[in-house]
Amino acid sequence: DADVTQTPRNRITKTGKRIMLECSQTKGHDRMYWYRQDPGLGLRLIYYSFDVKDINKGEISDGYSVSRQAQAKFSLSLESAIPNQTALYFCATSRADTQYFGPGTRLTVL
Amino acid sequence: LAKTTQPISMDSYEGQEVNITCSHNNIATNDYITWYQQFPSQGPRFIIQGYKTKVTNEVASLFIPADRKSSTLSLPRVSLSDTAVYYCLVGDIEGGTGFQKLVFGTGTRLLVSP
Repeated sequence: DADVTQTPRNRITKTGKRIMLECSQTKGHDRMYWYRQDPGLGLRLIYYSFDVKDINKGEISDGYSVSRQAQAKFSLSLESAIPNQTALYFCATSRADTQYFGPGTRLTVL
Repeated sequence: LAKTTQPISMDSYEGQEVNITCSHNNIATNDYITWYQQFPSQGPRFIIQGYKTKVTNEVASLFIPADRKSSTLSLPRVSLSDTAVYYCLVGDIEGGTGFQKLVFGTGTRLLVSP
């Protein structure tokens, strides 16, 4: 959905580097989410945010941090990337019961 | 959160109706059932959501029996472009906030052949 954008779309980095993935939305939704997807597996929730002042951990938050800079922006950081964080990362937004996903960021940690 | 079980894969041909069944034996009273579709290297896309009985939209139908322990996504007359992974999710839409915390399983990989 073009209303949810993610940057970068692809990133290759080295172990120990700090990485930030950014998500922006023009849908005006309060709720935003970060998921990761490993090959052949479903999505797992990393963090979610109800609004700018509300951040919640998902099922796999260790090794990640987030920042909700504005209603429209939700960033995911890997403070010190490790190889098992190689995955496809998706940002999503929702107002109520439907989530709208971005195109994903493919992250490779060498 | 209720766990879901769905077939790992299904094969079909163009023009056929496809029914994907999902089991959710531990579904809670407040849980809704939601189905998403995902194409390779894309984010999941909402298809349909229901609580009980039958729901239909322009894309699919969702059948939910009275005990709600399972649900069936029905795709009428599939085409090659329906080849994707389909996820069944159950989750509580938290009262007042409308927030649904989704738990994705591995989904059902549907392959539609000519």
